[in-house]
Amino acid sequence: GQSLEQPSEVTAVEGAIVQINCTYQTSGFYGLSWYQQHDGGAPTFPSYNALDGLEETGRFSSFLSRSDSYGYLLLQELQMKDSASYFCAPLNDYKLSFGAGTTVTVRA
Amino acid sequence: IAGITQAPTSQILAAGRRMTLRCTQDMRHNAMYWYRQDLGLGLRLIHYSNTAGTTGKGEVPDGYSVSRANTDDFPLTLASAVPSQTSVYFCASSPRTGHGYTFGSGTRLTVV
Repeated sequence: GQSLEQPSEVTAVEGAIVQINCTYQTSGFYGLSWYQQHDGGAPTFPSYNALDGLEETGRFSSFLSRSDSYGYLLLQELQMKDSASYFCAPLNDYKLSFGAGTTVTVRA
Repeated sequence: IAGITQAPTSQILAAGRRMTLRCTQDMRHNAMYWYRQDLGLGLRLIHYSNTAGTTGKGEVPDGYSVSRANTDDFPLTLASAVPSQTSVYFCASSPRTGHGYTFGSGTRLTVV
């Protein structure tokens, strides 16, 4: 079967660094995406890892280890606007599946 | 139209009624998807289409049907709505399967 785990909530202060871990178990795995969603709006596309290692996109970085079925999203220099839900989304059989998401709350 | 458009934005529907949620994209993306989002369950794939003329079942297809007559449109139909189909529905598209999804703003459906 398929399973996906990520923390339900994370709280941090402005300027801090947050790491959201994701462990997955899925067949036909091709890569790992992370999506951001504000207040139930349209999810947007922060990152995608097809290969092991670290991908950096501005203040966001994403990491993948295929052998460990593990990845993380790193949010640096946190800003209030980063308060949102973040979804780990393994790409399997050419389709994305989503976890329940991690709610990140940034405090002043 | 810029990107992906869903209609209606929200709808209250009587149980047993038929309803079609519309989704249109103008990016010439090959693949399109329908997800539903329920509190605590994330987004679950209902149906997908890798290219015009083809469709496939996702994780929770029962009670829903789709068609893909052309590249731009991917409507989702509830033949006979039930209260458990109360949810927020998101349509998405990608230039190739699984990569760089663009999501619509969602349709909030309440079945009473």
